[in-house]
Amino acid sequence: SQQGEEDPQALSIQEGENATMNCSYKTSINNLQWYRQNSGRGLVHLILIRSNEREKHSGRLRVTLDTSKKSSSLLITASRAADTASYFCARAGAGSYQLTFGKGTKLSVIP
Amino acid sequence: NAGVTQTPKFRVLKTGQSMTLLCAQDMNHEYMYWYRQDPGMGLRLIHYSVGEGTTAKGEVPDGYNVSRLKKQNFLLGLESAAPSQTSVYFCASSYLGTAGINYGYTFGSGTRLTVV
Repeated sequence: SQQGEEDPQALSIQEGENATMNCSYKTSINNLQWYRQNSGRGLVHLILIRSNEREKHSGRLRVTLDTSKKSSSLLITASRAADTASYFCARAGAGSYQLTFGKGTKLSVIP
Repeated sequence: NAGVTQTPKFRVLKTGQSMTLLCAQDMNHEYMYWYRQDPGMGLRLIHYSVGEGTTAKGEVPDGYNVSRLKKQNFLLGLESAAPSQTSVYFCASSYLGTAGINYGYTFGSGTRLTVV
């Protein structure tokens, strides 16, 4: 079953604004990862946050993790039209080589 | 460094026909996976492999078979295609780092399959 669920399902913002996407999960994790999928392409790994980390940055991306609430958020600052894509969170369970993906958030950045 | 390569990229099948999707990776990854992606359903795991010569069922294995005869290749077969198998298929590979941590998947670009 898919235990990583993103919210909202779709998000439309103006270029230059910040975009925030959320992910909730149900069971304990080793780490949580975020992926981007451009239309018609495969998923690309963006960032990984471990269960003992609370926040992580990579360029314009900021990921937070709250294990007590079993939730994570991805913030894209100063969005660009090129950020238009679907974003997925994926949960890695303890000792598991498998990732469980959510259904994704479709982000549209309007120029 | 090509990463994960999927062939073909597009295919149209008639109901009842068979075909094989090929996935090849050049990163020496132990683990390989086949997913299907349908609108509103996200990614669903079909089959996976933890090493050469091994395969296992995922969430939606019915109607599919797989083989991993070589470490770098993972084949997905449809013996008798059905319209319900119309989907986009993605292959991915990964490795486990120290302490068994999955650092992430590398995905192929996908195969868009239509069964009419």
